[in-house]
Parts: sequence; structure tokens; C-alpha cells
Amino acid sequence: EVQLVESGGGLVQPGRSLRLSCAASGFTFDDYAMHWVRQAPGKGLEWVSGISWNSGNIGYADSVKGRFTISRDNAKNSLYLQMNSLRAEDTAFYYCAKGPYGDYSRGAFDIWGQGTMVTVSS
Amino acid sequence: DIQMTQSPSSLSASVGDRVTLTCQASQDIRNYLNWYQQKPGKAPKVLIYDASNLETGVPSRFSGSGSGTDFTFTISSLQPEDIATYYCQQYDNLPLTFGGGTKVEIK
Repeated sequence: EVQLVESGGGLVQPGRSLRLSCAASGFTFDDYAMHWVRQAPGKGLEWVSGISWNSGNIGYADSVKGRFTISRDNAKNSLYLQMNSLRAEDTAFYYCAKGPYGDYSRGAFDIWGQGTMVTVSS
Repeated sequence: DIQMTQSPSSLSASVGDRVTLTCQASQDIRNYLNWYQQKPGKAPKVLIYDASNLETGVPSRFSGSGSGTDFTFTISSLQPEDIATYYCQQYDNLPLTFGGGTKVEIK
């Protein structure tokens, strides 16, 4: 069964850091691009970051550029999001999602995890 | 950034009705447009990719059309299980962007 399972969310104070993880199974992880997409409570979807199959190409939304870092470990079938200098507006459900190609800039998000909640508050 | 505008923001229809949602891009995105369904408390799910291609396993009552800046998503006969918010998303240009969503309810 194709599956993505996120972990690492929680309550964190403004200015602090948090690292999200996404464990993939049921498909050849290192063939595909991966993404993080977030959703603030009661709001729409926002693409956060994407990474190509070999980490050769990476992109970020302007809202997180310079603060968040996406990475992957293909040997561990895992995707990560290092979030630094967190702000209240980063409060959201964070989803890990798979792309249909190795290039992160192409195609749909065809598999999604169940998400992990990040709350930034003092 | 490419802005994606969905309309209406919400609608109420009866079971069996034909439902049409629209999505407009702020510039030409060719056919690089996907549609997602998000049920309450659940992760989104892709229904249509590349504007008009039905994702494997998705019921045939769902369809998509359009190219350039104007796109349409149709449910040919609304079912109770179709209650959800529907989002369009473009991948012609980075950053990848979503529309604001259309919430579909049963009348």
C-alpha cells in the first residue's frame, strides 16, 4: 500500500525551530519528487516546498524562503522539513505529498499523507 | 506568482444535479491544471490532472476541461459523498499555486 506518514508537529513558541518528517512506503521513493503543502485552520491549501528525486532541484514559497529547508534521505525513504524562525502565521496542518515525476515542478500531488499539525504560539 | 481564482466560493445543490465549478488563472497556464477534492478532516485527493485527465479510480461523473486561463470542473450527477471542498492548482510556473476552493454542499 502506498503510504506517507508525517510526524514531528506540535506546539512551538515564535522564533523557535521544528523539524517535520515524512516516512514513505509502497513505492520507489527515490524515483519521485516530494513536496510539503500546508493548510492553516479553516483556510485553503498553500504549497510550501518541493524537492526533486535526487535533491538536485529545490523550491520554496516566498513566505518560507530563508527560514525553511526541505531535504530527503532516499536510503531511509524519508522527507524532511526543517522550520526555523517560526511565526504565528506558520500555524497550519502540514501535508507531505508525492509528485508523479522526478522533477518537482511538474504534475499533480498524487499521494498525500494524513498531515501533522504545527501550532506556533507563546 | 500566478493567481488562481475559483468561483463560486460555495454552492448548494441537490443530489443528482449537474454541478459546475470554474477556475481562472491570472495568465496562460496551458493545460497545467489539476483539481483536488478535500473532504472534512481529510487530506486532499487528486481527481483530475492536466486539466482533463481522470485520475485512476476516480468515478466518471467527475470531469475537467479548459486550457489557457479558463477551466471548468463538472460533477455530472452530484452524490452525497461528493460533499467536499474542491481546489484547482497550477504547475505552469513556480511557485505552485492553488485556488481558494469551492465548498460544495447538499441542498
